[in-house]
Amino acid sequence: QSALTQPASVSGSPGQSITISCTGTSNDIGIYRLFSWYQQHPGKAPKLLISVAGKRPSGVSNRFSGSQSGNTASLTISGLQAEDEANYYCCAYAGNDTPWLFGGGTQLTVL
Amino acid sequence: QVTLKESGPVLVKPTETLTLTCTVSGFSLSAHAMGVSWIRQPPGKALEWLAHIFSDDEKPSSPSLKSRLTISKDTSKNQVVLTMTNMDPADTATYFCARSLNYGEDFDFWGQGTQVTVSS
Repeated sequence: QSALTQPASVSGSPGQSITISCTGTSNDIGIYRLFSWYQQHPGKAPKLLISVAGKRPSGVSNRFSGSQSGNTASLTISGLQAEDEANYYCCAYAGNDTPWLFGGGTQLTVL
Repeated sequence: QVTLKESGPVLVKPTETLTLTCTVSGFSLSAHAMGVSWIRQPPGKALEWLAHIFSDDEKPSSPSLKSRLTISKDTSKNQVVLTMTNMDPADTATYFCARSLNYGEDFDFWGQGTQVTVSS
């Protein structure tokens, strides 16, 4: 099972909105629709941003939202802030043989 | 308060076996559908899921690494142990443990990670 495909980098100015895509296949995102998003600052552990239920854990800003269309999951960050500069990873279920499949990660730069 | 903490050697030699321990608190490893995964991240690279252990002792693991991985738990000690055989410099990474509540569920709590370097 190959990793999910994410853009290597995205950028935006403070206040803008950006969307990070996570492209899978009909064997993971497309069929199971179970995916989550994580934020990772350098030298830190990943932090859950969007759960598989599409919800934000307590403490996560409502500027973060997730969606899905076909084989692609998306993370949208609105009202970009400097502290959003980090790496973002998607993770999807691909069946019981590969219960967790990560994307290659996207580095977000806030200009 | 849920916490996970990884421990293990910082440096291992090629061909050696790596043993990592994840000590958890704030939840029970025997609770229904509870589970802990090991996930690694080579320097500057992406996260890679390795293996998971559920409360009922089901143990899915990455198909590409299955032959080298063993995961186990000691419920009385609140610990999950991962062993990886035949270590290679390509296995140099930060290794995280993280909690998940069922197949395909998200990882809601993570440990801080432990860095492992494979070098002679």
